[in-house]
Amino acid sequence: QLHLQESGPGLVKPSETLSLTCTVSGGSVISNGYYWGCVRQSPEKGLEWIATIYYSGSTYYNPSLKSRVTISVDTSKNQFSLKVNSVTATDTAVYYCARLSGGVTGAFDIWGQGTIVTVSS
Amino acid sequence: DIQMTQSPSTLSAFVGDRVTISCRASQSISSRLAWYQQKPGKAPKLLIYKVSSLESGVPSRFSGTGSGTEFTLTISGLQPDDFATYYCQQYNSYSTFGQGTKVEIK
Repeated sequence: QLHLQESGPGLVKPSETLSLTCTVSGGSVISNGYYWGCVRQSPEKGLEWIATIYYSGSTYYNPSLKSRVTISVDTSKNQFSLKVNSVTATDTAVYYCARLSGGVTGAFDIWGQGTIVTVSS
Repeated sequence: DIQMTQSPSTLSAFVGDRVTISCRASQSISSRLAWYQQKPGKAPKLLIYKVSSLESGVPSRFSGTGSGTEFTLTISGLQPDDFATYYCQQYNSYSTFGQGTKVEIK
């Protein structure tokens, strides 16, 4: 059974870079037709899609975050990663990794448990 | 940006009730609409995709309808396990979620 596990710093200082790693187990990140994404959730903004990646390296970003976000994939480790630069308190959220079904724009059918990231000095 | 607006924000119901949650898109999203259930401290769970297709393992009391900009999630015969928050998501242009509808016990 496919499982996604997020790992993150927990606490990040303002203006620094948030790094999140999503490890895929019970399956391969090189699964034909499946894309992988990151979603965050905060009381202020609700659920917010951040970025999507395909194992080939094709990337797609939320326009409102594109200037600060990078998503990448490491097929040798069966992982994908997210970096958010120049963080502020508004980046405080639960960050989720998820699999997209049905192509680059699709429903998120499998989610990780989420990891809480707090931006504070 | 496509905005998704859900109503109501909160819904109180009894076990056994039939409940409906509405979701409106700011522009047409064809059939690219999904519904999720989320319980406190847990990740969202996919219930329905492509407006009305039930995700594997989801009880048949959940159903979805709609097209274009107006969509509905119906729970026929609310069960104790169904008290949760529900979100719609459009995936026609990037991805955006509604603000959520909390279903509470009456």
